[in-house]
Amino acid sequence: EPEVTQTPSHQVTQMGQEVILRCVPISNHLYFYWYRQILGQKVEFLVSFYNNEISEKSEIFDDQFSVERPDGSNFTLKIRSTKLEDSAMYFCASSQQGAVVYYGYTFGSGTRLTVV
Amino acid sequence: DQQVKQNSPSLSVQEGRISILNCDYTNSMFDYFLWYKKYPAEGPTFLISISSIKDKNEDGRFTVFLNKSAKHLSLHIVPSQPGDSAVYFCAATNSGGSNYKLTFGKGTLLTVNP
Repeated sequence: EPEVTQTPSHQVTQMGQEVILRCVPISNHLYFYWYRQILGQKVEFLVSFYNNEISEKSEIFDDQFSVERPDGSNFTLKIRSTKLEDSAMYFCASSQQGAVVYYGYTFGSGTRLTVV
Repeated sequence: DQQVKQNSPSLSVQEGRISILNCDYTNSMFDYFLWYKKYPAEGPTFLISISSIKDKNEDGRFTVFLNKSAKHLSLHIVPSQPGDSAVYFCAATNSGGSNYKLTFGKGTLLTVNP
């Protein structure tokens, strides 16, 4: 069964450093997302990406965050200058157009980001 | 602003019995509702969805009921199995939006005891 792949599974970084979280979505999917879950809290929407541009972003997704789909397969989330409160599990997801309401997204296993 | 609420952080049931997980929402624009299951160290996995024009959707042991007037939905698992032990998230979306953003609840940890 096709899956969404995320790397690395765990990243530790120092406050103020830049991190790039990588994702390989399912190949025929058109919508791409990043969500995050701070420990013990709900899964929160960060950003959606469609047709090579951001279609929606949340309040969390400020100027420190950016996304790219540089080569047609990878989908990356960059945090320019990490803060302690960025520590969370970051999930990438992808979906086929319109299929979300019937089959949901396919999520990756997540990258646990720890900012120290 | 919790648009999707799961008020029970945990639920414990015996194997073979029914598990009922509840979810409430506040946003009237939501027209599709989804349930996800999440095991530790894994991403959420889609279980079942329901459209706001229906009041019930069934898939094997899983049934979702929607009470639109009460803005309430529930997931029934019958019979419950130990492998069902996981965190269950309720999510909602407005299909009229162009990007199918999901709004999640905080989740309910289900423990099914053998």
